[in-house]
Amino acid sequence: DADVTQTPRNRITKTGKRIMLECSQTKGHDRMYWYRQDPGLGLRLIYYSFDVKDINKGEISDGYSVSRQAQAKFSLSLESAIPNQTALYFCATSQGGQPQHFGDGTRLSIL
Amino acid sequence: GNSVTQMEGPVTLSEEAFLTINCTYTATGYPSLFWYVQYPGEGLQLLLKATKADDKGSNKGFEATYRKETTSFHLEKGSVQVSDSAVYFCALRDGGSQGNLIFGKGTKLSVKP
Repeated sequence: DADVTQTPRNRITKTGKRIMLECSQTKGHDRMYWYRQDPGLGLRLIYYSFDVKDINKGEISDGYSVSRQAQAKFSLSLESAIPNQTALYFCATSQGGQPQHFGDGTRLSIL
Repeated sequence: GNSVTQMEGPVTLSEEAFLTINCTYTATGYPSLFWYVQYPGEGLQLLLKATKADDKGSNKGFEATYRKETTSFHLEKGSVQVSDSAVYFCALRDGGSQGNLIFGKGTKLSVKP
């Protein structure tokens, strides 16, 4: 089983819909992250959490919200999806400042 | 602010060719440097890292040396294989308390038989 699991793996939805992407980990790491990947732009940080009670905005948090329901779970929500949020989304975890471990990604398309 | 610049791709090589992917960075202090690899349909995996000047990271035949004087961390491999086809990301983590990663834009490598 994967250490960092993202669901769903693929999602197609319409403009204005509320979307939730989920991430769970079995590594016992304290830190969790959400990134989006766009062609030619690399990965950009949306939100990060250093523990259950610590949530921080990243470089591109507008239009997104997150919830750290437990140490092992970190979900990303798009309250009202728009087409320019079409991207590949990655969850990652780390223990303290150690290297991050990534899930396999969620491909989100917003029509 | 901190940033990472990678050579643009795509890079296409024949099997057994020599690979260099250039990476330079801008940072205050003494960042740690990383190369991540993304195979098709997968997430990023740590390939190698270096935490201080003159350190050499190595893994799976890939190497990169932390050069503070040129602010570079170029990725090299002496003989690439078809299975090395992937997207490669250079990244830095600054020394501050947040310690988040900053990624380059990625370089796509295709290796032909």
